[in-house]
Amino acid sequence: DADVTQTPRNRITKTGKRIMLECSQTKGHDRMYWYRQDPGLGLRLIYYSFDVKDINKGEISDGYSVSRQAQAKFSLSLESAIPNQTALYFCATSEAGGPNEQFFGPGTRLTVL
Amino acid sequence: RKEVEQDPGPFNVPEGATVAFNCTYSNSASQSFFWYRQDCRKEPKLLMSVYSSGNEDGRFTAQLNRASQYISLLIRDSKLSDSATYLCAAPSWGNQGGKLIFGQGTELSVKP
Repeated sequence: DADVTQTPRNRITKTGKRIMLECSQTKGHDRMYWYRQDPGLGLRLIYYSFDVKDINKGEISDGYSVSRQAQAKFSLSLESAIPNQTALYFCATSEAGGPNEQFFGPGTRLTVL
Repeated sequence: RKEVEQDPGPFNVPEGATVAFNCTYSNSASQSFFWYRQDCRKEPKLLMSVYSSGNEDGRFTAQLNRASQYISLLIRDSKLSDSATYLCAAPSWGNQGGKLIFGQGTELSVKP
């Protein structure tokens, strides 16, 4: 089984809808991250969490919120989706300390119409 | 200047060629770096970590040049299966416990 899983894997939604993307990990890592990837722009950090009670904004947090429900779970919400949030979203985990290698989930392809 | 920059390519090379990518970084305090491989919109997977002077794994060699603040990835005897996008990552300014900044990726296409 995959160590980092994301659901859903693909989602098409309409402008203004609330969307939640979920991430679960079995690696036992304290640190979790949400990135989005757009062609030509690479991976950009949305939010990250170093433990259950810690939430930090990344470089592009506007329009997004997160919840760290447990060590193993980190969800990303789009409160009111807009078309320019159409992108490939990745969750990642890493051990504490570091910087350490990050392990990525398979990604969620989100389309906002 | 971006914290981490890569030449986006694409690099089109024949099988068997040697190809090198560079990645510049702006955080002079960075101690460790990473090269990831990403296939066709799948998740990035670690190819190699780079600490101190460099690292080698088979046909792949990563080097660190602290004076000029760049890391390089050398691929020898390129295979068709090496076609992918290669991402470099470096710690961000402030090094908040390990936050990484990724470059935009370099696309490699190996042709028969």
